[in-house]
Amino acid sequence: DTGVSQNPRHKITKRGQNVTFRCDPISEHNRLYWYRQTLGQGPEFLTYFQNEAQLEKSRLLSDRFSAERPKGSFSTLEIQRTEQGDSAMYLCASSLGIGNEKLFFGSGTQLSVL
Amino acid sequence: DQQVKQNSPSLSVQEGRISILNCDYTNSMFDYFLWYKKYPAEGPTFLISISSIKDKNEDGRFTVFLNKSAKHLSLHIVPSQPGDSAVYFCAASGASGTYKYIFGTGTRLKVLA
Repeated sequence: DTGVSQNPRHKITKRGQNVTFRCDPISEHNRLYWYRQTLGQGPEFLTYFQNEAQLEKSRLLSDRFSAERPKGSFSTLEIQRTEQGDSAMYLCASSLGIGNEKLFFGSGTQLSVL
Repeated sequence: DQQVKQNSPSLSVQEGRISILNCDYTNSMFDYFLWYKKYPAEGPTFLISISSIKDKNEDGRFTVFLNKSAKHLSLHIVPSQPGDSAVYFCAASGASGTYKYIFGTGTRLKVLA
């Protein structure tokens, strides 16, 4: 069990640029989640996958955000035309996917948009 | 619309005493609840969970109590240790028929030596 891996750990970009983050879940975990966390707030749900199917997407996720999990293993989260308000910690989590169960989180990607 | 609320942003407790962290929720359809601990620059770490069919779950120093009629849950840590100092989040799932987990805003616990 190598844990949930997220890359990069930190990303600094200029407003208007596109960024992509990667998440490698624990092997054999079928569910994968993306959350966003800002200072003083709890993790905010963005989207989740069951295998390669994206089952739910937050209405807070604008059309500048897109997530994929093409083979049901790793996932990518892309933000197009970044804005300063996108600055946050982006967290990935995974779980076995067999009902209500605990999520295992990665260490996150800290995004700073200048 | 904050469906999961932690109304105490911070809490300080003496080492060896009990820490009680509270969480309220508004959606009666939630049927599974979890507590996570988070240190700076790390992802949240799972502590303990409880299903809505139970009112108590215990794991070592950690006990979670669920009061469904009040839509309230609490995490008890006994005895508190300095290493418990962290931000604690409660989370809930099951409301929308999917496995989306909604988190509270967190409570920062400081255990004083």
